[in-house]
Amino acid sequence: AQKVTQAQTEISVVEKEDVTLDCVYETRDTTYYLFWYKQPPSGELVFLIRRNSFDEQNEISGRYSWNFQKSTSSFNFTITASQVVDSAVYFCALSEAIQGAQKLVFGQGTRLTINP
Amino acid sequence: EAQVTQNPRYLITVTGKKLTVTCSQNMNHEYMSWYRQDPGLGLRQIYYSMNVEVTDKGDVPEGYKVSRKEKRNFPLILESPSPNQTSLYFCASSLERGLGQPQHFGDGTRLSIL
Repeated sequence: AQKVTQAQTEISVVEKEDVTLDCVYETRDTTYYLFWYKQPPSGELVFLIRRNSFDEQNEISGRYSWNFQKSTSSFNFTITASQVVDSAVYFCALSEAIQGAQKLVFGQGTRLTINP
Repeated sequence: EAQVTQNPRYLITVTGKKLTVTCSQNMNHEYMSWYRQDPGLGLRQIYYSMNVEVTDKGDVPEGYKVSRKEKRNFPLILESPSPNQTSLYFCASSLERGLGQPQHFGDGTRLSIL
């Protein structure tokens, strides 16, 4: 069965520090997708990025970057020069095909606190 | 504005009193699903629907029912709620059911069953 592990339950850093959130996944599928979602204190889920299994290029979007490594089954997320507004719970998710439909398998989430 | 709307956002109720959480999307999405979020467990899928009148169980369907009579609506029904169903619930939709489709989530419904 598919599995996503976010080993860091909580991380706390001081503003402007860089921080990396780890995500390790397990799948037997050769085609799959990985996602990151942000859940701010207000509770909604915000889509951040999607990556397919054939594209191992790292991606950068402003202060956010993602490192996808199939060799280690990891899809880590780095925030550079963190800000208080980055405080949130972050979820990594793996897509699983169920009878032709997609199901997202989520990690446990990492609660990130950025202190001023 | 494209959105997934859940109601209510918050509900405190008692064991055994039937309740329905509504979910509606205005994007003409084919695929809809329900998840529950619990501390330390992330989000787990309860039910999903690939189209009108087509629904199937996810990982944690016990104690829940759903229906998909119209494309835009996918209500979650708790016939006889119990305290272990206290959780944060999310409805999600995507244009198609295939792999890689970004899912759009509602704002969540926090249920407390006393």
